[in-house]
Amino acid sequence: KAGVTQTPRYLIKTRGQQVTLSCSPISGHRSVSWYQQTPGQGLQFLFEYFSETQRNKGNFPGRFSGRQFSNSRSEMNVSTLELGDSALYLCASSLAGPTVSGANVLTFGAGSRLTVL
Amino acid sequence: AQTVTQSQPEMSVQEAETVTLSCTYDTSENNYYLFWYKQPPSRQMILVIRQEAYKQQNATENRFSVNFQKAAKSFSLKISDSQLGDTAMYFCALGADGLTFGKGTHLIIQP
Repeated sequence: KAGVTQTPRYLIKTRGQQVTLSCSPISGHRSVSWYQQTPGQGLQFLFEYFSETQRNKGNFPGRFSGRQFSNSRSEMNVSTLELGDSALYLCASSLAGPTVSGANVLTFGAGSRLTVL
Repeated sequence: AQTVTQSQPEMSVQEAETVTLSCTYDTSENNYYLFWYKQPPSRQMILVIRQEAYKQQNATENRFSVNFQKAAKSFSLKISDSQLGDTAMYFCALGADGLTFGKGTHLIIQP
């Protein structure tokens, strides 16, 4: 079956612009998580969606937002881009929703590499 | 707050050697999972191994095994008979009220 698909794979924006990234999870997976990966900060959790509801949110400013559609596809949006937003944005899906014990195995997409000039 | 620390930014070993990647963590949760994920160069991150905190037996997946020391909050990954394809970034992650990743260890397998 198809894996997690992220589009676009690469994009270049300038400061002040906004960007929307898309993630299609594995068929049947209802949970989608987003992570920002940078050389300095590593992998940082952005948010998690399950059944169209944001279930968890990381420590990012309000410029970062997301949503999930009824078919489990998810988008994240970054407004008023800053140079520091340059990163690889990873989407991951899992079959089940958030659990207290964190048992879910994530399947990651290839990422969307954003460069802000 | 949960933390995951990987103290080895980079390691290099010869092919066929055994290598151990270190990971320590901190959480106030009693029930949690620990993971090692692998991110090969320009490729997708994939799960290597998963360990439930309540299980004392260390998880094993073929050449990959863990040494889970709950009291010490340590979760190291051992790769036996290392292969060139093992070259990748390895991330330790703690699952409890969200997933927290360490900064990663860049493992290089030399021919």
